[in-house]
Amino acid sequence: QSALTQPRSVSGSPGQSVTISCTGTSSDVGGYNYVSWYQQHPGKAPKLMIYDVSKRPSGVPDRFSGSKSGNTASLTISGLQAEDEADYYCCSYAGSYTFWVFGGGTKLTVL
Amino acid sequence: EVQLVQSGAEVKKPGESLKISCKGSGYSFTSYWIGWVRQMPGKGLEWMGIIYPGDSDTRYSPSFQGQVTISADKSISTAYLQWSSLKASDTAMYYCVRRSSGWDKNWFDPWGQGTLVTVSS
Repeated sequence: QSALTQPRSVSGSPGQSVTISCTGTSSDVGGYNYVSWYQQHPGKAPKLMIYDVSKRPSGVPDRFSGSKSGNTASLTISGLQAEDEADYYCCSYAGSYTFWVFGGGTKLTVL
Repeated sequence: EVQLVQSGAEVKKPGESLKISCKGSGYSFTSYWIGWVRQMPGKGLEWMGIIYPGDSDTRYSPSFQGQVTISADKSISTAYLQWSSLKASDTAMYYCVRRSSGWDKNWFDPWGQGTLVTVSS
């Protein structure tokens, strides 16, 4: 069982919005504003999409946004496009013993 | 361009040793951390450990402490992940990742292309 809990799958039609949740504890997600999100297409390496809960690296479309409330972080993708179909993983800093923990991943299907 | 280039796929037998590598380019190798992430077949990502090549400060996930060794050779901008005795359960894709130095830099970018390790008798 992964340290952070994500839904196994979500889906949406092109143009719609979807939100992927990532639930942890006060020792990780709730304790730090250090949640990041990664996109992984099949057979490819993961790619950073969001860091520090809500910041976007240069080159990432502004359709991708992040937020956090309590022990749950969220990734929202608006204006869904076919190329957004991928697996998405959240990651949180978890202190100086565990360091970083990942979620189990969410498969996004664009219908 | 900042890049992490990993060594090629490996096929090993249980009990054998293995060292895979990750070469950084396009940036100051000694000023950033290099970490390792495991992805077992069809599964999610697991953080294994991290090293700061500047002074070889190394930290391990409790789940991987004692199971693997992380090292770096700053003279050739290369980090390593090694096993002394492989098990079938070590079969996975292994990614190296870069992390900026600083206590408030808690994301990984970029990622290497991955090294597939297959352990089978």
